[in-house]
Amino acid sequence: DAKTTQPPSMDCAEGRAANLPCNHSTISGNEYVYWYRQIHSQGPQYIIHGLKNNETNEMASLIITEDRKSSTLILPHATLRDTAVYYCIVRVVVNDMRFGAGTRLTVKP
Amino acid sequence: DTEVTQTPKHLVMGMTNKKSLKCEQHMGHRAMYWYKQKAKKPPELMFVYSYEKLSINESVPSRFSPECPNSSLLNLHLHALQPEDSALYLCASSQDTAEFYGYTFGSGTRLTVV
Repeated sequence: DAKTTQPPSMDCAEGRAANLPCNHSTISGNEYVYWYRQIHSQGPQYIIHGLKNNETNEMASLIITEDRKSSTLILPHATLRDTAVYYCIVRVVVNDMRFGAGTRLTVKP
Repeated sequence: DTEVTQTPKHLVMGMTNKKSLKCEQHMGHRAMYWYKQKAKKPPELMFVYSYEKLSINESVPSRFSPECPNSSLLNLHLHALQPEDSALYLCASSQDTAEFYGYTFGSGTRLTVV
């Protein structure tokens, strides 16, 4: 699986958009980009995934660059409940998902 | 039912005890997973079951013994653990690997070995 690089921590003001970057310069053509988050003392929660095209669901938007070497997870209107560790994972569709260090997002009032 | 249920939520056990963690899902998922998470670290994959057969064992010590009695249930049997095995143990499930819909995680069992 391709390696991912995320900033260790980020802050965001409540009500503003949170943009979480992820670099995956060694991604291969059949690898998807997945995002999960883990709120303190809970299990990780699936957010969104994509291959080439930008994706949007009720939780977030995923923007993947044309060369697929990086992506950005966008939480359009961050709330205090979005404070969590966000994991960007790149992998093919097999059942061995492994987590990197992630980004600790703190949403501040 | 869209949840993965883990029991117990908390467990304290001595180094000579035998205990089991239980994980249950009723979403029809055919892959189930055990992860271990130490404080302030990401989850680490331990075991993967696919169609009730063990498909991945990440070189986990034999004091951890997984079992998948049926497609809805996953157990982790614990014996002769060490204090360093204290961690949050997470169970997850997913659809058949041919299609991806995301993993569903339980809330975990917080294990303390004394």
